[in-house]
Amino acid sequence: DVVMTQSPLSLPVTLGQPASISCRSSQSLVDSDGNTYLNWFQQRPGQSPRRLIYKVSNRDSGVPDRFSGSGSGTDFTLKISRVEAEDVGVYYCMQGTHWPLTFGPGTKVDIK
Amino acid sequence: EVQLVESGGGLVKPGRSLRLSCTASGFTFGDYAMGWFRQAPGKGLEWVGFIRSKAKGGTAEYAASVKGRFTISRDDSKRVAYLQMNSLKTEDTAVYYCTRRVVTPGYWGQGTLVTVSS
Repeated sequence: DVVMTQSPLSLPVTLGQPASISCRSSQSLVDSDGNTYLNWFQQRPGQSPRRLIYKVSNRDSGVPDRFSGSGSGTDFTLKISRVEAEDVGVYYCMQGTHWPLTFGPGTKVDIK
Repeated sequence: EVQLVESGGGLVKPGRSLRLSCTASGFTFGDYAMGWFRQAPGKGLEWVGFIRSKAKGGTAEYAASVKGRFTISRDDSKRVAYLQMNSLKTEDTAVYYCTRRVVTPGYWGQGTLVTVSS
């Protein structure tokens, strides 16, 4: 199985400051079709997961443009340009290239 | 508006069965693969399985942890996906979510809690 690791696991941030979460996979996530199926999800307390980013860098409709995804191969990053209070929650990366699908352990973002 | 509503969760004893439903609206249900994921209390997300659209064969795939015990099916006329869970174990206790698509699951339901305990 592809192992997804995230760092840090806990990220206290100051409102208005940037934040960055790293996600690494144990194998390349480039699919045979040329796509890289790396997603980012936000899960606010008590809510269902919400997809923010798909295929590395494509932001979902309605997701603020302060969120951005980047990376390739086995190394990926989610960046928040200026953290707002509503960004508190747990962020997961997930790979959809290899079966079984696997998630990172999650990064808990809260406000300092 | 895409909506997914899970139902059927509850408290069940180890070894028993439970069937979850995922009722969809707001999109052409039969055109999409439907996925199931779960989240144990205080833990991360885990993929459970998915079912392909009829056009892609309508077959299902499962995580190793549930293969042979869980079965996913769909009724496109009713716009419902099912997760039949047999031989439940205490470690199956989780909130179960259904999703539209599975490789890039963009829509999630609100989840339904399954508690397996004696």
